[in-house]
Amino acid sequence: EVQLVESGGVLVEPGGSLRLSCAASGFTFSNAWMSWVRQAPGKGLEWVGRIKSKTDGGTTDYAAPVKGRFTISRDDSKNTLYLQMNSLKTEDTAVYYCTTGGRGGVGTSLADWGQGTLVTVSS
Amino acid sequence: DIQMTQSPSSLSASVGDRVTITCRASQGISNYLAWYQQKPGKAPKLLIYAASTLQSGVPSRFSGSGSGTDFTLTISSLQPEDVATYYCQKYISAPFTFGPGAKVDIK
Repeated sequence: EVQLVESGGVLVEPGGSLRLSCAASGFTFSNAWMSWVRQAPGKGLEWVGRIKSKTDGGTTDYAAPVKGRFTISRDDSKNTLYLQMNSLKTEDTAVYYCTTGGRGGVGTSLADWGQGTLVTVSS
Repeated sequence: DIQMTQSPSSLSASVGDRVTITCRASQGISNYLAWYQQKPGKAPKLLIYAASTLQSGVPSRFSGSGSGTDFTLTISSLQPEDVATYYCQKYISAPFTFGPGAKVDIK
């Protein structure tokens, strides 16, 4: 059974930094393309970005609102996905979900989701 | 970037009713369209991918259709457990934009 467990969400001040983690199990993490999706309170879903598997280049893509501030990385030895968030803004306040998928143009899109972790950006 | 719209934004229907939600892409996306269901306080769940393929374990009362720019999610007989918000998402290429959502509840 696929399990994705996010952690690291806290209250942080505007301009601050935070790193979220997503521990994965139940599938071959090193082969998986992975994504982050967020949801502001009472709002819809917003795709944040994705990272390819290392065998497919390990490169990343980001949504425009976070490009240049957020960085997705992975540690295949620990089966863990990361989201480094810098220069945080109040509008980054959201529940952040880790998901499998994000390959694009093939497959199921975002098949499996974690339970989410809440990031609050406020002074 | 390709924009996604959905209609209606909310609807109320009776148990047993047929419910239809539409999703439109601003440019053609072939059949790279997924539908997700999100119940209050829960993570989203993949229902349908490739516009019409039911994800494993999803009840057969859910179906999807469409290609190009216009897509439809249909619930053939609405059940109380289907109360949720439904999102479409395009995944032909990044960014993988979601529609704004359609909230379904019971009349």
